Amino acid sequence: DGGITQSPKYLFRKEGQNVTLSCEQNLNHDAMYWYRQDPGQGLRLIYYSQIVNDFQKGDIAEGYSVSREKKESFPLTVTSAQKNPTAFYLCASSQGAFGYTFGSGTRLTVV
Amino acid sequence: AQTVTQSQPEMSVQEAETVTLSCTYDTSESDYYLFWYKQPPSRQMILVIRQEAYKQQNATENRFSVNFQKAAKSFSLKISDSQLGDAAMYFCAYRSLNYGGSQGNLIFGKGTKLSVKP
Repeated sequence: DGGITQSPKYLFRKEGQNVTLSCEQNLNHDAMYWYRQDPGQGLRLIYYSQIVNDFQKGDIAEGYSVSREKKESFPLTVTSAQKNPTAFYLCASSQGAFGYTFGSGTRLTVV
Repeated sequence: AQTVTQSQPEMSVQEAETVTLSCTYDTSESDYYLFWYKQPPSRQMILVIRQEAYKQQNATENRFSVNFQKAAKSFSLKISDSQLGDAAMYFCAYRSLNYGGSQGNLIFGKGTKLSVKP
């Protein structure tokens, strides 16, 4: 079945460490997105990519980086510059003007 | 820029009864899409229903229906015969018909937490 796979489900980061969240889709969707979700904040857009080898900053890109070397993959790196990274991260993809398909998310915690 | 507002942070409904979740949006566009997403405790985002603005008929999916009032920029979700499995966060979202560039990104409201009482 087609879908989006996010891994790992839970991730722990030490202070000053970079971590990478994986997002893979087999839906042949052109566009992919990363959202951060905090309690009471809804979903906030970090980065998005509408085509391979191209991506754009969203509303809260500081402290994050992405790459889009393959259509299927859109990994998100949370860098040490992100001072408050503890949150739930959702990856999504879309094709055309329809709604998004979401992954099951990654819960990142700073220890 | 478009905005989406969900004015009810929390709602509660008795099992088997009907509940309506509110959503309003602001846009200067005439054509767009509106969505309701459900996020249960598992946190998986699930598309509940979609409405194209150019369609006057309200969308319906089984027990879920919308009341789309384009002039009022209102898009409420009605859940009939509520079930325990309906307990979740519900997000209203807007998407421009011009889905190229940043205009095409989904814009979400902050969500409404729905509790279902047995």
